[in-house]
Amino acid sequence: AQTVTQSQPEMSVQEAETVTLSCTYDTSENNYYLFWYKQPPSRQMILVIRQEAYKQQNATENRFSVNFQKAAKSFSLKISDSQLGDTAMYFCAFMMGGGSNYKLTFGKGTLLTVNP
Amino acid sequence: GAVVSQHPSRVICKSGTSVKIECRSLDFQATTMFWYRQFPKQSLMLMATSNEGSKATYEQGVEKDKFLINHASLTLSTLTVTSAHPEDSSFYICSARGAGRADTQYFGPGTRLTVL
Repeated sequence: AQTVTQSQPEMSVQEAETVTLSCTYDTSENNYYLFWYKQPPSRQMILVIRQEAYKQQNATENRFSVNFQKAAKSFSLKISDSQLGDTAMYFCAFMMGGGSNYKLTFGKGTLLTVNP
Repeated sequence: GAVVSQHPSRVICKSGTSVKIECRSLDFQATTMFWYRQFPKQSLMLMATSNEGSKATYEQGVEKDKFLINHASLTLSTLTVTSAHPEDSSFYICSARGAGRADTQYFGPGTRLTVL
């Protein structure tokens, strides 16, 4: 079974600074996807970024980027120029590839607070 | 694109009654839908997975007779909490995955259920 570990229950950062959230996972599969989802106080889950395991290039979406280390099974999220609206719970998630019924496995989440 | 709606957003009911929650994919065909439950400050717990026109697959420990799931069409899934009790009070979130983007799940805004 796959597991996803987020070792930082809470983090804080000053507005405009950079913060990195950690995520490690365990799998014996070679074809899979990794995701970061954001859940703000509204509780709407929002996809932040996704990474296909077969791609060596790290995914980026505007101020959000990942450091995907496949051999180390690490998938950290870097948020640059942090904004107050980035305050949210961030969940790292894993999904096997190749099937329509494959489901997401979530980490326990990291609560990020951006301070003014 | 990839919008998922849920209705109602909040519901309060009396113990012993049944409550139905609807989940709709608004701009794509959802071949697979997922139902999650989330307790305060915790991660999402998968309850069941459903494919259009098929019976739902429930996770271990989830009572299928209590949490009835129907995925009647490619845009609609419903979760009915039967004979609700206070311990069923929780935040319920649906998610959908489409045929064109089978590797990404999109989430609804969630439903807050309170059972008195």
